[in-house]
Amino acid sequence: SYELTQSLSVSVALGQTARITCGGNNIEKRNVHWYRQKPGQAPVLLMYRDNNRPSGIPERFSGSNSGNTATLTISRAQAGDEADYYCQVWDSTSWVFGAGTKVSVL
Amino acid sequence: EVQLVDSGGGLVQPGGSLRLSCAASGFTFSDYAMNWVRQAPGKGLEWVSYISTSMTDIYYADSVKGRFTISRDNARNSLYLQMNSLRAEDTGVYYCARDEVVVGGRSYFYGMDVWGQGTTVTVSS
Repeated sequence: SYELTQSLSVSVALGQTARITCGGNNIEKRNVHWYRQKPGQAPVLLMYRDNNRPSGIPERFSGSNSGNTATLTISRAQAGDEADYYCQVWDSTSWVFGAGTKVSVL
Repeated sequence: EVQLVDSGGGLVQPGGSLRLSCAASGFTFSDYAMNWVRQAPGKGLEWVSYISTSMTDIYYADSVKGRFTISRDNARNSLYLQMNSLRAEDTGVYYCARDEVVVGGRSYFYGMDVWGQGTTVTVSS
């Protein structure tokens, strides 16, 4: 089965740029989706098919996918960006989530 | 307003059963595939099951195969998850989530763009 690897945690200074990576074998061949989840809340779709933002998601969020790594970039980080972030891909007959990255804004 | 409302969670003993429901509103439910996703306490997201618009394609995670059954009633705009032979490790919050939309026989993928608020399942004696 396909596996996705995410860093456990990422710290970013207020106003700076955070990069959250999602590793997988030849992941560039797959469509990667990203979700944000705040404590006690349902996940929210942040990015679909690598680099497409749903309506309402700020331009500060961007995505890329190349080789074995997909990346979610948060520019001009805000305190409200503190959350868990998950990547996701489809693998034949199942959805696969990464283990999640906790983003802390310092 | 596009909305999914999860319900049916509760406390159940190991080996017991529960039926979760997800009520959809604000969109044409029958045009969308649907999923159940769960989250154990303090853990990450785990996909549980998928059902296509016409129910021709149904998939399960290995961890629930043979014990859980996903279904939908397009006339009632509802998604269900029948959970049998429940185990302690099935404890968690269960979310329904909208998946690809089928228009004119073609599927369009936008990720899981709408989620229910979640319903809590606790399996304990």
